[in-house]
Amino acid sequence: GAGVSQSPSNKVTEKGKDVELRCDPISGHTALYWYRQSLGQGLEFLIYFQGNSAPDKSGLPSDRFSAERTGGSVSTLTIQRTQQEDSAVYLCASSLAGTSGIDTQYFGPGTRLTVL
Amino acid sequence: AQSVTQLGSHVSVSEGALVLLRCNYSSSVPPYLFWYVQYPNQGLQLLLKYTTGATLVKGINGFEAEFKKSETSFHLTKPSAHMSDAAEYFCAVKEGGSEKLVFGKGTKLTVNP
Repeated sequence: GAGVSQSPSNKVTEKGKDVELRCDPISGHTALYWYRQSLGQGLEFLIYFQGNSAPDKSGLPSDRFSAERTGGSVSTLTIQRTQQEDSAVYLCASSLAGTSGIDTQYFGPGTRLTVL
Repeated sequence: AQSVTQLGSHVSVSEGALVLLRCNYSSSVPPYLFWYVQYPNQGLQLLLKYTTGATLVKGINGFEAEFKKSETSFHLTKPSAHMSDAAEYFCAVKEGGSEKLVFGKGTKLTVNP
């Protein structure tokens, strides 16, 4: 079956612009995660959605970052007023239930964001 | 707070040689442990995971890892390296009750012919 898909695969933007990154999880997966991969910081957790529960936003680095998940499926990560330090690969993952800790998280190919 | 340390950001082995990638974690409670592999310009793929039970875990592509609580380690091994194993490897930990993966900095494996 289809894996996690993300779009766009690459995004180049100018400092100060807003960007939206999209994630389509595996069908039937109720949990969805966003991570950021950058040279300086490695892989960092950003936000986690599970079903209809309030998302865990504890990893968002600033209030310029937000995410939503519509209809329990597709998610959009929005970065407002982008800064050069936001340049990174943004990875989305999904898992079947995301409540027991043992579920495997399946990752998408990522969106490479470059802020000029 | 949980943390993961991967010793060696770069490891180079000859084809057919043993692969050993080191991972140590800090956690106040018994964690769940994972190894992921990332090929160039691709996402992360799960190699293996430890949750409970047998401490020696076998994964895909001939890899295995052993959970050693006394050493807080979860080192990844493969008896004989293939050229196709060249990639970056990430160790990750989750504490029970949390769904966040905390990753190490990664180890880039090079396999020489």
